[in-house]
Amino acid sequence: EPEVTQTPSHQVTQMGQEVILRCVPISNHLYFYWYRQILGQKVEFLVSFYNNEISEKSEIFDDQFSVERPDGSNFTLKIRSTKLEDSAMYFCASKQQGGNSPLHFGNGTRLTVT
Amino acid sequence: GESVGLHLPTLSVQEGDNSIINCAYSNSASDYFIWYKQESGKGPQFIIDIRSNMDKRQGQRVTVLLNKTVKHLSLQIAATQPGDSAVYFCAENKDGGAAGNKLTFGGGTRVLVKP
Repeated sequence: EPEVTQTPSHQVTQMGQEVILRCVPISNHLYFYWYRQILGQKVEFLVSFYNNEISEKSEIFDDQFSVERPDGSNFTLKIRSTKLEDSAMYFCASKQQGGNSPLHFGNGTRLTVT
Repeated sequence: GESVGLHLPTLSVQEGDNSIINCAYSNSASDYFIWYKQESGKGPQFIIDIRSNMDKRQGQRVTVLLNKTVKHLSLQIAATQPGDSAVYFCAENKDGGAAGNKLTFGGGTRVLVKP
């Protein structure tokens, strides 16, 4: 079964550094998402992306965050200057159709900011 | 992909018994609901979904019930197996026709299956 693939599985970075989290969505999917989960808290929506532009973003997704689909297969999340509170599991998700259809999630990248 | 929270409610079930996991959702305008399963080290895995124009939907060994009057969603797992041990999340969505599909997740319930 096709999977959403995320790399790396664990990223450790120092506060103030830039990080790029990478995702390869399922190949025929058109809608892409980033969610995050701080340890002990709920999974939270960050951003959705369709047709090469952001569809919606949450209050968490401030100017320090950006997303990009640099080619036909990758979807990246960049944090420009990481803060301690950015430490979390970051999940990429994709889906094929618009409307009410389920998201398919990757296994996440654990980001640790020291 | 740990989703472990320090204070997750836990349901202990004997192998072979049925499990019922409950979820209260917040937005009466939500029109689409999903149950996800998350095993240790993995991301959320889709189990079953239901639209707001239905009150019951069945899958393989799983049934989702939706009560819009009290904003309650439940997941029933028949003949629970050791492989069902995981954290289960409900998620809701409003404005399903929009490209955003901004899911709002619940806090999760840990299911432990005892052999």
